[in-house]
Formats: sequence, structure tokens, C-alpha cells
Amino acid sequence: DTGVSQDPRHKITKRGQNVTFRCDPISEHNRLYWYRQTLGQGPEFLTYFQNEAQLEKSRLLSDRFSAERPKGSFSTLEIQRTEQGDSAMYLCASSLYPGVEEKLFFGSGTQLSVL
Amino acid sequence: SQQGEEDPQALSIQEGENATMNCSYKTSINNLQWYRQNSGRGLVHLILIRSNEREKHSGRLRVTLDTSKKSSSLLITASRAADTASYFCATDAKDTGRRALTFGSGTRLQVQP
Repeated sequence: DTGVSQDPRHKITKRGQNVTFRCDPISEHNRLYWYRQTLGQGPEFLTYFQNEAQLEKSRLLSDRFSAERPKGSFSTLEIQRTEQGDSAMYLCASSLYPGVEEKLFFGSGTQLSVL
Repeated sequence: SQQGEEDPQALSIQEGENATMNCSYKTSINNLQWYRQNSGRGLVHLILIRSNEREKHSGRLRVTLDTSKKSSSLLITASRAADTASYFCATDAKDTGRRALTFGSGTRLQVQP
């Protein structure tokens, strides 16, 4: 039984470059979430999918951010024209909805550093 | 924005002592969850308490919920060095249309051996 996996674990990029992260959820989970976490803070919600439909996006998700889950399985999060303020841990989580308990299973995250 | 606020922000105790963390939130909720995060890793679900429950236990964990005060507490009994981590409360808000959990800012627990 594999958990949620995220790739890459670390990404260093220069300001203005585009980056893409991948998340593979637990296979039977239909919901997939993206969160962002900065040092010393809790995760902040970015967006979530149910199957392939993107059901909600946070105001934090500017026009430079786009997320996809084309076949309802893995998801990608792309940041265009990165800024230093984008430096953070990007966390992916998945869940089964409806479920007995609506708990999230998190991946280990992708740590992004924008120089 | 953060829905929950944890208190204290940081807590340092000796092994064997109990650790209590508090969480306050703003809106009505369906449930409240507690998660743990080791440094540089993802979060791990610990326990869920529903809005119609007042107390719940799981092993060395005890969670209470007071919906009238919009607050919850997490008690870890007989703490161990391995309990050193950050602990977050997360709320599933009711009637807001928001379906994703909203996390607080966390309590960083240090258990000294």
C-alpha cells in the first residue's frame, strides 16, 4: 500500500522560471488537495479536485498558478514566472469522499526555493 | 487565512510529562481534526472529533471540543522524545461552501529526554 508521493522533493529555481510539481495520490482516493506551507506556519489551502474536476481555488492561487488532474489520478501544479515569495513547501494530500472519516493523507511535500 | 489558532506556539517539556495544546477557531464546524508534522515532512492525521462530540480518546491522545467557545484541546499523556513535532488543528467549516480543511498555525512541541 503506497501513500501519497510527490516529485521532486526539492526544487531550486531562479526567479522568472517556470516549475511543475507532480503528486500521485493513494490510488482509490477521489479527492486531491494542494496546500502551501511556509516556515513556522500551518498549511494554506490552494485548490482541490474531485476526480478530474477542480472544485475550488483559493485567492492565493494567482494567475501564475495552474493545477490539473487530467484523468482523475495524478495531479500537477505549475507555477509560471516564479517569484521569491513563492518559496515554500508545496504539500499534496488525498482523501476518499465520502468516507467514514474525512481525513487527509499527505505526501512529504516539494520544497521550492526561488533564488 | 488561518481558521484555527493554536496556543501555545511552542512548548518544551520533559519526557513523561503531559502536553496540552489548545486550538481556537472562528466559524461553525462539521468536525475538527488534529495532525502531526515532523520537521520537513508531510502531515499525519492523529484524531478527528465531530461537532456533536465533546471528548475523544486514542491511545495516549485525548481531544476535547467546546463548540460554544469554538475551541479544542489536544492532550498527549506520558510524552516521549519521539512526540517531538509540530501539531496542527484543522477544521471542516460548516455551511461556507468550503470543502477543504483549514489549518491553524501550529504548536511546536519539544520533548526533552
